[in-house]
Amino acid sequence: AQKITQTQPGMFVQEKEAVTLDCTYDTSDPSYGLFWYKQPSSGEMIFLIYQGSYDQQNATEGRYSLNFQKARKSANLVISASQLGDSAMYFCAMSAPLVGGTSYGKLTFGQGTILTVHP
Amino acid sequence: DTEVTQTPKHLVMGMTNKKSLKCEQHMGHRAMYWYKQKAKKPPELMFVYSYEKLSINESVPSRFSPECPNSSLLNLHLHALQPEDSALYLCASSQDRGRGQETQYFGPGTRLLVL
Repeated sequence: AQKITQTQPGMFVQEKEAVTLDCTYDTSDPSYGLFWYKQPSSGEMIFLIYQGSYDQQNATEGRYSLNFQKARKSANLVISASQLGDSAMYFCAMSAPLVGGTSYGKLTFGQGTILTVHP
Repeated sequence: DTEVTQTPKHLVMGMTNKKSLKCEQHMGHRAMYWYKQKAKKPPELMFVYSYEKLSINESVPSRFSPECPNSSLLNLHLHALQPEDSALYLCASSQDRGRGQETQYFGPGTRLLVL
C-alpha cells in the first residue's frame, strides 16, 4: 500500500523568504510519480510540480522546486521568494502503480500543510 | 490550456432533491475523476472514468451516480443525499497513456450543502 506523510500541519514564512514543505512517502513499487498541489481558500486544486521516480534531476517550475531524495523517500517542496499569494493548503500526492495493465492514475494524498506568508 | 470547468460553484439541496454536478474539459484528456473533499482534509477519490467507461468506483453509495456522456463531459447525479454528504466536490482530468503517472488537473469545485 502507498502512503504519503506530511508532518507539518502549519508553516509560517516571511514574505520574500524561502520555505520548505516536507513530504515523505512509502511504496514498494519502483515506478511512481510524486506531485505537489496548492489549494487556496477558494477550493481549486492547482498543480505545481511533478517528479517521476526515474527522473535523475530534481524538478523545478519557476519559484517551485522539488527536493527529491529517493533513498530517504522524501519529496520536499521548496518555494523561493515567498509571496502573500502563496498562503494556502499544500498537498503532496503520489500516483498509484498500474493495476491489471490499465493505468488509472489514482492519487494518494498526504494530510496537507497550511502555509501562511506574513508581510 | 489546462482548464477544467465545473458548474455550479455552489449548490444547496434538500435531502429529497435530485440535482446534478457538471464537469467539462477540452484538453483531450481521456481519464476523468470525481473527488469528495471535507474541510481541511485531503480529497477522497470517488469515481474514475477511462475512455468514457467507469474504471473505478470507490464503494460510493448509490445516491451518487456518475455519467460520462462523452470524452469531454462528466456528470455526477445526486439523489436523496444526507447532510454528511455536504462537501467540496472536485472534478479532475488527465491523459491516459498507460503509465499511471499522468498529472491530474482539477476544476474549481462545487461546494455542496445538504439540508
